[in-house]
Amino acid sequence: GAVVSQHPSWVICKSGTSVKIECRSLDFQATTMFWYRQFPKQSLMLMATSNEGSKATYEQGVEKDKFLINHASLTLSTLTVTSAHPEDSSFYICSASRTSGGTTDTQYFGPGTRLTVL
Amino acid sequence: GENVEQHPSTLSVQEGDSAVIKCTYSDSASNYFPWYKQELGKGPQLIIDIRSNVGEKKDQRIAVTLNKTAKHFSLHITETQPEDSAVYFCAARKGFQKLVFGTGTRLLVSP
Repeated sequence: GAVVSQHPSWVICKSGTSVKIECRSLDFQATTMFWYRQFPKQSLMLMATSNEGSKATYEQGVEKDKFLINHASLTLSTLTVTSAHPEDSSFYICSASRTSGGTTDTQYFGPGTRLTVL
Repeated sequence: GENVEQHPSTLSVQEGDSAVIKCTYSDSASNYFPWYKQELGKGPQLIIDIRSNVGEKKDQRIAVTLNKTAKHFSLHITETQPEDSAVYFCAARKGFQKLVFGTGTRLLVSP
């Protein structure tokens, strides 16, 4: 299967600072990337969907000014958590897929980033 | 919108036994159904998927069945091994829309 990487794998930051998480598709061009948030023992919650070169589409209840998403190329998307607070502590996972022939391909997930805000 | 229910929430089996996890979906237009395995502290890994034009798909010890009429699909793992222990998520998708995930099943395989 396709490989998706995330960096960093974990990060600890102080309240009020911003944190950037990178997501890369290593062996395919991702027309669409997704950002999820996962709380302990819960399912994945989609935060936003981004297509290369266009603005991200945020799910209801997700603050777009707080969670900035950039999908500048077909292999890289970034999520920036601005002015982080302890309640933003979570496991953030990106996913990438490609769309071709009128269908959306399989979604491949990255290894996740554990964010802890002190 | 689509809603996916998954059962059971936890499943304990002995090594070598079979394990079955079931999901139901609400939107009859959904046409893609993947299963993901998530180990502790890691991202979900695709283990098998099925599209609505087939009823069953196998990959070694793993199989998925789809009943479009009843709107449910199941994951079957045979000859379970301790390394199969993880959380398994089913999902459903319609066309270009987003994946809708089930709530997850924690599988524990005891040696």
